Amino acid sequence: DVKVTQSSRYLVKRTGEKVFLECVQDMDHENMFWYRQDPGLGLRLIYFSYDVKMKEKGDIPEGYSVSREKKERFSLILESASTNQTSMYLCASSYSVSNQPQHFGDGTRLSIL
Amino acid sequence: RKEVEQDPGPFNVPEGATVAFNCTYSNSASQSFFWYRQDCRKEPKLLMSVYSSGNEDGRFTAQLNRASQYISLLIRDSKLSDSATYLCVVNGRGGTSYDKVIFGPGTSLSVIP
Repeated sequence: DVKVTQSSRYLVKRTGEKVFLECVQDMDHENMFWYRQDPGLGLRLIYFSYDVKMKEKGDIPEGYSVSREKKERFSLILESASTNQTSMYLCASSYSVSNQPQHFGDGTRLSIL
Repeated sequence: RKEVEQDPGPFNVPEGATVAFNCTYSNSASQSFFWYRQDCRKEPKLLMSVYSSGNEDGRFTAQLNRASQYISLLIRDSKLSDSATYLCVVNGRGGTSYDKVIFGPGTSLSVIP
């Protein structure tokens, strides 16, 4: 079974802090994704990566950056956290973007105070 | 028109009922289709892939209609444990450097005793 592990289930940070969310997958997947999910807005893609050191902006990249130094690890960084970044963050990975499903981690519920 | 649309529901059905969800997509070049289920405050989990010939997994049947650009999910003999939000996912050529993955907004199902 594919295992996607997110570093924290719940996280509370303060406005202006730099926040790191970590994600690790154990299936040697090429592609990794970061989403946020908010009530009534569904899943929105923040960034994704199709290879080590490669990244592509998703639909809502503003206020975020990412890092993929190793194939199995994809980090999401909130450069200066703001209250509107309070959300559920979901990491996913897949073998192929075009015809393989994505597998999700448990999610990180992030609160910015 | 949104790229992937679903009836948000909620669908409230009694145990044992048959219920069907549709999902329409706008990009005729889309190539791969999936159904996910998401329980409250949990991550989306792959339910099944949708093949051109249709596929069945126990009480669940998925079908694809390329001509009308929709996929469907049929649940027979509904169980209380089927209560969840069902997300359709469409992968397809996005016209950019990557194949685009689009999650529908989800359809909420409540199975009532």
